Amino acid sequence: GNSVTQMEGPVTLSEEAFLTINCTYTATGYPSLFWYVQYPGEGLQLLLKATKADDKGSNKGFEATYRKETTSFHLEKGSVQVSDSAVYFCALTLYGAAGNKLTFGGGTRVLVKP
Amino acid sequence: GAGVSQSPSNKVTEKGKDVELRCDPISGHTALYWYRQSLGQGLEFLIYFQGNSAPDKSGLPSDRFSAERTGGSVSTLTIQRTQQEDSAVYLCASSDKQGGGEKLFFGSGTQLSVL
Repeated sequence: GNSVTQMEGPVTLSEEAFLTINCTYTATGYPSLFWYVQYPGEGLQLLLKATKADDKGSNKGFEATYRKETTSFHLEKGSVQVSDSAVYFCALTLYGAAGNKLTFGGGTRVLVKP
Repeated sequence: GAGVSQSPSNKVTEKGKDVELRCDPISGHTALYWYRQSLGQGLEFLIYFQGNSAPDKSGLPSDRFSAERTGGSVSTLTIQRTQQEDSAVYLCASSDKQGGGEKLFFGSGTQLSVL
């Protein structure tokens, strides 16, 4: 089956620190990969995506590169802000599979302190 | 509003009671998903609707769970004879493409607490 594994949180760091959230996946086909973010009190929203190997998704200073050889899609940001405090979810979908539904990882809570 | 709307935002119920959770997707979106987010867990897929096709119910955890989507728009998730382990945030999402992963729009969820 398909699954996504991401590092457990919470991750606590200071403003301007470097953030990495590891994400690895298993899939029965060639998935597209996503990072979703859930800010406090808000619904999940798409942060970035990559649809093929070596693609780099980027948004709001965050980046993630689709690594097929290591089945990974680690999320990085060079200098975090307090406003980046949120829960981050790695996810995949296999187009053509029933429903094209997203399979999510367990989420990683990030807390950025001033 | 233009977003996915869920109601109620919070629901407290007693064990054994039935509950109904409502989702209003974004107008024109043909795909609708229900997920469950339990404390300390990831998002668990429950059910998927796409247009007039038969729904994908593969994620429903038991026969106490059911969902309908009337007129291709509003959806209701029903949990019968609720149990304490049903306590979670129930999230609805919609998409305007069959390739739903491209961009799902999520509602803020219904926090269900079963006492």
